[in-house]
Amino acid sequence: AQSVAQPEDQVNVAEGNPLTVKCTYSVSGNPYLFWYVQYPNRGLQFLLKYITGDNLVKGSYGFEAEFNKSQTSFHLKKPSALVSDSALYFCAVTLGGRGGADGLTFGKGTHLIIQP
Amino acid sequence: NAGVMQNPRHLVRRRGQEARLRCSPMKGHSHVYWYRQLPEEGLKFMVYLQKENIIDESGMPKERFSAEFPKEGPSILRIQQVVRGDSAAYFCASSPRSPKGETQYFGPGTRLLVL
Repeated sequence: AQSVAQPEDQVNVAEGNPLTVKCTYSVSGNPYLFWYVQYPNRGLQFLLKYITGDNLVKGSYGFEAEFNKSQTSFHLKKPSALVSDSALYFCAVTLGGRGGADGLTFGKGTHLIIQP
Repeated sequence: NAGVMQNPRHLVRRRGQEARLRCSPMKGHSHVYWYRQLPEEGLKFMVYLQKENIIDESGMPKERFSAEFPKEGPSILRIQQVVRGDSAAYFCASSPRSPKGETQYFGPGTRLLVL
């Protein structure tokens, strides 16, 4: 079975400071990893994904994430936070290659609050 | 290029009624997924469909829930004899190809409230 853990329910960051939203995963093989953002009463917007290749992945709105296989982590980062980054962030995983599940397994989400 | 469309956005049903949720994938996408989001929870995968075929329904409750994606028209998630525990946000996503590694693009969701 595959799973995702987002250990922080909420992360508070001052505007202009760097931010990190943590994600660890568990799959029995090679993971495909995703980050999505959800604004209130909206659907999920895709930010970035890791499939293969460089461990550092760059995505939308200045976000990036680093795949760390030894620590089974895929933390989301941004060098300088904006108030408009305040939202609910979800990490998701699926098992790559044949035989993996078709649906994404999501973490419970992390509320990111950027304080002016 | 219109995104994934879902309707209705909000649906209120009384216990025992039926709920029908519709999803139109992005243009050119033939793969559809349904997820359920309970309050303060992440999304839970329910079912994955291609045109006219259910590929993976491992996340669907065994009773009262069904899904289809006909050759013409939107995908429909149907919940019969709704109960209060069915109250949730239901999201549809689509992708252009088989899901392995493909980005799933989500619709705005249907928020179902069962009274």
